[in-house]
Amino acid sequence: ILNVEQSPQSLHVQEGDSTNFTCSFPSSNFYALHWYRWETAKSPEALFVMTLNGDEKKKGRISATLNTKEGYSYLYIKGSQPEDSATYLCASNYGGSQGNLIFGKGTKLSVKP
Amino acid sequence: KAGVTQTPRYLIKTRGQQVTLSCSPISGHRSVSWYQQTPGQGLQFLFEYFSETQRNKGNFPGRFSGRQFSNSRSEMNVSTLELGDSALYLCASSFAPPSDGSEAFFGQGTRLTVV
Repeated sequence: ILNVEQSPQSLHVQEGDSTNFTCSFPSSNFYALHWYRWETAKSPEALFVMTLNGDEKKKGRISATLNTKEGYSYLYIKGSQPEDSATYLCASNYGGSQGNLIFGKGTKLSVKP
Repeated sequence: KAGVTQTPRYLIKTRGQQVTLSCSPISGHRSVSWYQQTPGQGLQFLFEYFSETQRNKGNFPGRFSGRQFSNSRSEMNVSTLELGDSALYLCASSFAPPSDGSEAFFGQGTRLTVV
C-alpha cells in the first residue's frame, strides 16, 4: 500500500514568519507530485504539479521543490500572512493501476496577525 | 468560467438508504475523480473517469459505484448506507486524468450525514 506522509501535522506561526512543510512519498515508479491549499469552507485549490527531480516551482510567496530519488517535496511560504492560513495537502501518483492521486493528511497552517 | 459544481451540498440519510451525488465538471474537462474525506483521514480516492470510462477505482466496497455521462457529468452512488459513510465527498475535474499529471480542480463537496 502506497503511503504519503506530511509533516508537521499542524503549525502555528506569526505574521511575517517564513515556514516550510514536508511531503514524503514512495519514490519507486513515481509520476507526479501535486500540492493543494485547502481553506476552510472552500474547495482545495491546486498550487503546483511537479514531475522532474530537482524541479522548483514558485507562485507568489509560495514555492516548492521536488526530490524524486529520495521521495520528498518541500513547500515554502515566505513572509506568512493570515490569509495563508489553510491546510496544505500533497498528493503523489504513480503509473498503471496506482495512477490515482494518493493524498497525505495535510499540514494545517495557522498564521497569527 | 464556472467551476466544478457538486449537488447537493448537504445531505442527511438514514442507514440502509441509498444516495446519489452529482458532479458537473468545468466546461471542456473530460476527467472526473471522486474522493472521500472522513475526520482524521486524508482524501481517500474513490473513482477516476475519463471520457465515460472508469480508469481507476479505490479500495471501497461494491456499495460505492459511479458513472460518467457523455457530457462529462458524473454521479456516484452509495447503496445500503452505513454510519461510517458519513463524510465529505469531493469531486475534481481536469482536462486529462490527474493520474497523467493534469491539474485537478475541486468542487466544494457534498457533506453526507448518515443517521
